[in-house]
Amino acid sequence: NAGVTQTPKFRVLKTGQSMTLLCAQDMNHEYMYWYRQDPGMGLRLIHYSVGEGTTAKGEVPDGYNVSRLKKQNFLLGLESAAPSQTSVYFCASVLAGGSTDTQYFGPGTRLTVL
Amino acid sequence: DQQVKQNSPSLSVQEGRISILNCDYTNSMFDYFLWYKKYPAEGPTFLISISSIKDKNEDGRFTVFLNKSAKHLSLHIVPSQPGDSAVYFCAASVYGGSQGNLIFGKGTKLSVKP
Repeated sequence: NAGVTQTPKFRVLKTGQSMTLLCAQDMNHEYMYWYRQDPGMGLRLIHYSVGEGTTAKGEVPDGYNVSRLKKQNFLLGLESAAPSQTSVYFCASVLAGGSTDTQYFGPGTRLTVL
Repeated sequence: DQQVKQNSPSLSVQEGRISILNCDYTNSMFDYFLWYKKYPAEGPTFLISISSIKDKNEDGRFTVFLNKSAKHLSLHIVPSQPGDSAVYFCAASVYGGSQGNLIFGKGTKLSVKP
């Protein structure tokens, strides 16, 4: 099992450009999450999905969109990137989403917006 | 306002000694708590958890203590090893919250010196 993988690992964008971050998991997990981590901050939830075809907003959803067309993939989109979106993005998945289930994290995508 | 607080950004400990990482929370609805460990350029990995019906959970060198009345939990690592050097995040959730959403603290960077 590869676990949770994220593509790309690094990316530099100019303000106003768009991009999509891909998260894939091969553990047949139902729930998937996108977090961002900024220096000196904990992980903050952007969006999450409780199953294929569903998405919901987290703590900091503005400026991002997501899609979960396939159970194993969760995409995070930036339509018009802003410098404030410079961050490290982590994807996570969990088997069933109950709070006692362990979330498994990907290695992260480091995004810089100039 | 932060619901999960880790007030010590860093901690330095000698190898073989005890490391104590602290976490406070404000939301009395939280009843499940987790510690994640993060190495540079990697995603967080689950370390240990505790339910609010317990006041202690032990796993090898790692023990988590929960004081509900004080809304405080701590992670003890005994004995500390250089490989334990990482950032430790405290996280909390509401049991039965079907989304399994976690609220993270800002993290504490632990350095274990040989």
